[in-house]
Amino acid sequence: GDSVTQMEGPVTLSEEAFLTINCTYTATGYPSLFWYVQYPGEGLQLLLKATKADDKGSNKGFEATYRKETTSFHLEKGSVQVSDSAVYFCALRSGSGAGGTSYGKLTFGQGTILTVHP
Amino acid sequence: DGGITQSPKYLFRKEGQNVTLSCEQNLNHDAMYWYRQDPGQGLRLIYYSQIVNDFQKGDIAEGYSVSREKKESFPLTVTSAQKNPTAFYLCASSILLGGTDTQYFGPGTRLTVL
Repeated sequence: GDSVTQMEGPVTLSEEAFLTINCTYTATGYPSLFWYVQYPGEGLQLLLKATKADDKGSNKGFEATYRKETTSFHLEKGSVQVSDSAVYFCALRSGSGAGGTSYGKLTFGQGTILTVHP
Repeated sequence: DGGITQSPKYLFRKEGQNVTLSCEQNLNHDAMYWYRQDPGQGLRLIYYSQIVNDFQKGDIAEGYSVSREKKESFPLTVTSAQKNPTAFYLCASSILLGGTDTQYFGPGTRLTVL
């Protein structure tokens, strides 16, 4: 079945440091890939997404590129801020195989806690 | 403003009691979902619904029940059969069930069994 593996956390950085959170996946067909962010005590917010190979999703300085050859969707940001402290989830949505129809289930990684210090 | 609301934010239940979590959306989305989140884990799908009066079990449906009588509403009942109900529950919706539609999440309900 589908699965998502994220790098283990927690990750602690100083403000303005470079961020990478690794995400690799296993899926059949052509999944869509997502990064969600969860601030303390809140629900999940979509950060960015990519729907096909070589697509780059970007938002608020964060980027991730859909790499089918390495089955990866690593999240990067060039200069983190204290306000970026949150839990980050990589997720995939089952794609449509030949003649198939996805039912839209999201499969999540376990989440990576990011803490940014001033 | 369009969005998803969940209530209550915090809920306490005694063992052996059923409890119902509310989820309402005004996004005119057809599909709705319930997820459970446990510490250090990702989200796991409990139930999902594509249209009114239709819903399907997800990966961990045992001990839970849902209804979808209106497009905007998808309440989740945690029954006394659920062995470990203490968790953070998240409701989500999307335009359609399939394709590349984004799922939008509510703020969540934290359920604690005393």
